[in-house]
Amino acid sequence: GENVEQHPSTLSVQEGDSAVIKCTYSDSASNYFPWYKQELGKGPQLIIDIRSNVGEKKDQRIAVTLNKTAKHFSLHITETQPEDSAVYFCAASKGDYKLSFGAGTTVTVRA
Amino acid sequence: DVKVTQSSRYLVKRTGEKVFLECVQDMDHENMFWYRQDPGLGLRLIYFSYDVKMKEKGDIPEGYSVSREKKERFSLILESASTNQTSMYLCASSYKQGGAEAFFGQGTRLTVV
Repeated sequence: GENVEQHPSTLSVQEGDSAVIKCTYSDSASNYFPWYKQELGKGPQLIIDIRSNVGEKKDQRIAVTLNKTAKHFSLHITETQPEDSAVYFCAASKGDYKLSFGAGTTVTVRA
Repeated sequence: DVKVTQSSRYLVKRTGEKVFLECVQDMDHENMFWYRQDPGLGLRLIYFSYDVKMKEKGDIPEGYSVSREKKERFSLILESASTNQTSMYLCASSYKQGGAEAFFGQGTRLTVV
């Protein structure tokens, strides 16, 4: 089955700096790559996603890039703010219901 | 706003008890899921349902069963709870088409003693 690896497991950044989280996947048939943010005491919430026919997607301070050849995708958060502190999960899917999740990255934004 | 509601935030059960975790969604989603979240392991799929009375095993179904008698409700059952089932359980729902956004409930922290 699909195997998704996510790095780093923890990330501490100064407020205003950028944060980057990287994921690799094993199944070349995967074509949908969402990112979820989980705040303390809440369930994960979709923040951005990308499909395999696109190399990059941006939404305000968040961007995701996809390299299908290398089978890796990354989340970029610019101008980090305290409310960006959370656990972030990447996931991969072959376009069916099944999402394979990475282990998660705990991001802490220092004031 | 889509709402996925799990019946309990925290549960403490004894080893051997039968445990029911309930989940309700209000968006008429076809798909419903139960995940287990453990530190360092991410989210792992326990069971999936794509229609009423239909279910499929996920990656870690052992020790669990599910029930979906109505479209909006999906129950996870631990037939005989064990300490290694102490975990955070997350319910989610989505529309039928592939690559649809999954909406999660707030989670149930289950402790088996």
